This record gives sequence, C-alpha cells and structure tokens, in this order.
Amino acid sequence: GEQVEQLPSILRVQEGSSASINCSYEDSASNYFPWYKQEPGENPKLIIDIRSNMERKQIQELIVLLDKKAKRFSLHITDTQPGDSAMYFCAASEAGGNNKLTFGQGTVLSVIP
Amino acid sequence: EAAVTQSPRSKVAVTGGKVTLSCHQTNNHDYMYWYRQDTGHGLRLIHYSYVADSTEKGDIPDGYKASRPSQENFSLILELASLSQTAVYFCASSPTISGNTLYFGEGSRLIVV
Repeated sequence: GEQVEQLPSILRVQEGSSASINCSYEDSASNYFPWYKQEPGENPKLIIDIRSNMERKQIQELIVLLDKKAKRFSLHITDTQPGDSAMYFCAASEAGGNNKLTFGQGTVLSVIP
Repeated sequence: EAAVTQSPRSKVAVTGGKVTLSCHQTNNHDYMYWYRQDTGHGLRLIHYSYVADSTEKGDIPDGYKASRPSQENFSLILELASLSQTAVYFCASSPTISGNTLYFGEGSRLIVV
C-alpha cells in the first residue's frame, strides 16, 4: 500500500514568518493530496487539497505545491498567526476509488507570539 | 450540528475485555472509516466500508473487527482488548467519489488497563 512520510515532526516559528511542511509518497498512481489540521482535543479538518492535475494551489495564506516527478508535496503557511498552532497531517489517496487516505505522521506547529 | 457522532467519547477497558466503539453519520455518505491515532504514527486506517453489510480491511486490521449494519452506522469491535490498543479512535465518512473530503467524528479515547 501507499506510504507517506512527513517532516518535520515538530516546527516552531515566529508569528508573522512562514512555515513549511514536507511530505513524500511512494505510489505514483496516487492522485489526491489533502491536508488536515487538528487543534488540541478536536478532530482533523480539511484545510486544503490538491489533485494530480495541478502543481500549485493557494487558499488565502495556505499554499500547496505538488511535484509528481519527485513524488513530493508541501504545505506553506505564510504570515503565521497563533491560531495556526495545531497538528497538521498530509495524506495521499490511492487511485481507483475507495477514497482510502494514507496519512503522514503529523507535524506539530507552534507559532510563537 | 455534528454529522459524524461517536460513542463512547471516552472509555477505560480491562485487558481481555470486549470493547465496541460506535459511529453514526447523517451525511448520507457511502464510505465510512475507522482510524486510530497514536503519537508519532499519525492516523492509521483500521477498517472501512463502502456499503452496508460489507467491510474491508485497512492497513492495521489485526485485533479489530468492524460491522456496518446500515449506511448510517459503523462499529469497531475489539473482542479481546490489549494494552497496545490504547489510542484515540476516529470514525469518518466520505462521499463515493474518489478524492473527497473525510468528515471525522470527535474521536473516542480508549484506555486499556
């Protein structure tokens, strides 16, 4: 099955700076790459996603990049705020249906005021 | 209001005992999933289902059974709970089309002693 590696596991940044989280996957047939944010004590919620027919997607301060050749994708949060502090998960979806997501190990982001 | 609800939200179980975690969704989604969350491992898929009365094994099914008696309900069953099954369990639902959002429940914290 698909394997997703996520780095770093812990990330601390100053408020107003950028934060970057990187993920790699193994199955070249994966075609859907979502990012989930989980606040303490809460459930994971989708914040942005990208499909294999795109290389870049931006929603406000969130930017996702996809490099299919290298089998890597990344999340960039510009102008971080304390409210961005949370656990972030990347994931990859197997092609062929089932919407079976394989998640990365997670990144704990702390934004320091 | 929450569209995916889990019960119980928290449980302490004895080693060797039987545990049933229940999940109910009002999203009218065909797909339902059970994930477990452990520090350092992210979210790992245990079982999933795409139709009532049918379940599929995920990536870590050993020690777990699943039951999907209706489109709305999906249960996770630990017949003989073990210490290693202490974790937070998340149920999720998803529409049929591949690459769609997972809608997670609030999680069930299970402690096996």
